[in-house]
Amino acid sequence: DVKVTQSSRYLVKRTGEKVFLECVQDMDHENMFWYRQDPGLGLRLIYFSYDVKMKEKGDIPEGYSVSREKKERFSLILESASTNQTSMYLCASSSGAEDRDLTGELFFGEGSRLTVL
Amino acid sequence: GENVEQHPSTLSVQEGDSAVIKCTYSDSASNYFPWYKQELGKGPQLIIDIRSNVGEKKDQRIAVTLNKTAKHFSLHITETQPEDSAVYFCAACKDSGNTPLVFGKGTRLSVIA
Repeated sequence: DVKVTQSSRYLVKRTGEKVFLECVQDMDHENMFWYRQDPGLGLRLIYFSYDVKMKEKGDIPEGYSVSREKKERFSLILESASTNQTSMYLCASSSGAEDRDLTGELFFGEGSRLTVL
Repeated sequence: GENVEQHPSTLSVQEGDSAVIKCTYSDSASNYFPWYKQELGKGPQLIIDIRSNVGEKKDQRIAVTLNKTAKHFSLHITETQPEDSAVYFCAACKDSGNTPLVFGKGTRLSVIA
């Protein structure tokens, strides 16, 4: 059974703290993604990666960075958490292709709900 | 870049009735259109997709239609059941050039028994 695992379901952090959200997939997928989900705003792409050590900005990268040191792991980093980063964060992965076709089925984790106080 | 609009934002139907969710997209080069279903407490899951070389695709009680001229596509669910209650997202992208999916804002469907 395919699986995307996010390390924490719920986190509470203070403003200014550094926050790490970890995501691991066991499907040997090339592509990995981080989204945030907010009521009324849908799924917005923060960053994605189509290969180890590669990263691309999505629609809302400001205030975030990512790390992909191994194929199966994609980390989202909030260098200095702010209250407007309180949200549900979803990690996803998909199988890639040589022409960087990103239309492969996305497999999502169950989400990490982050509250920044 | 691509922009996807989705309507309605909420939809309530009686069990057994049909439900229709509509999306429009802005980039005429987009040619891949999936639909994802998100149940409470879970991540979204692909339920059906369509590519621009076909106008309609069916899978049991769900179907998707695509009108490339009008740049809109729709999800149709027939004979709705309580387990169809969820948030549904449409999305669009091109199938090349490293362009990721752009999602609509979602539709919360409630099926009333």
